[in-house]
Amino acid sequence: ETGVTQTPRHLVMGMTNKKSLKCEQHLGHNAMYWYKQSAKKPLELMFVYSLEERVENNSVPSRFSPECPNSSHLFLHLHTLQPEDSALYLCASSQSGTDTQYFGPGTRLTVL
Amino acid sequence: AQTVTQSQPEMSVQEAETVTLSCTYDTSESNYYLFWYKQPPSRQMILVIRQEAYKQQNATENRFSVNFQKAAKSFSLKISDSQLGDTAMYFCAFMKHNSGNTPLVFGKGTRLSVIA
Repeated sequence: ETGVTQTPRHLVMGMTNKKSLKCEQHLGHNAMYWYKQSAKKPLELMFVYSLEERVENNSVPSRFSPECPNSSHLFLHLHTLQPEDSALYLCASSQSGTDTQYFGPGTRLTVL
Repeated sequence: AQTVTQSQPEMSVQEAETVTLSCTYDTSESNYYLFWYKQPPSRQMILVIRQEAYKQQNATENRFSVNFQKAAKSFSLKISDSQLGDTAMYFCAFMKHNSGNTPLVFGKGTRLSVIA
């Protein structure tokens, strides 16, 4: 399944670092999502972009900053993260007007 | 707000046997979608099956079928002829009916192990 790709697959960073997660979809979709998957918790929605505009921000701290330069790419910029931000970050895409979301393989983030 | 509950954190099944994973949800919406996603150790979240709430017929995809009970707000997944490759985390998810870009609400998941 290579419709949605994410890089890097693994990332270790210190609390003072700045890094970015990248998501790319090759499915011609026009909506993209960031979800956070922490241990023993359900997947939580972070952001939704539709036609490159942010349509939902699920009360995410400002140390997470999304960017959607075009309908195929979605970034999550990270700065001054906390150890509790360690999680699997999943990107997904869908076509507006349809219901099925397709997921990438995720980035496993560890904050030291 | 919608919630999704998966009451079985872990389950196991013998290869070739049948297993049923439970899911209940809470919503005041009348039109919505329900999904089962599979997440193997590779972490890729893969759609297994989807159900539209306005359809009474239960969805089926090869060895996977659902028992959708709208009044009871129940959406269980049955896996027949279980295979070793079915070993994974299984997530039940809910989505309100919308014109698009509506987020999924997930349960906590059930870890299924298929034993040879």
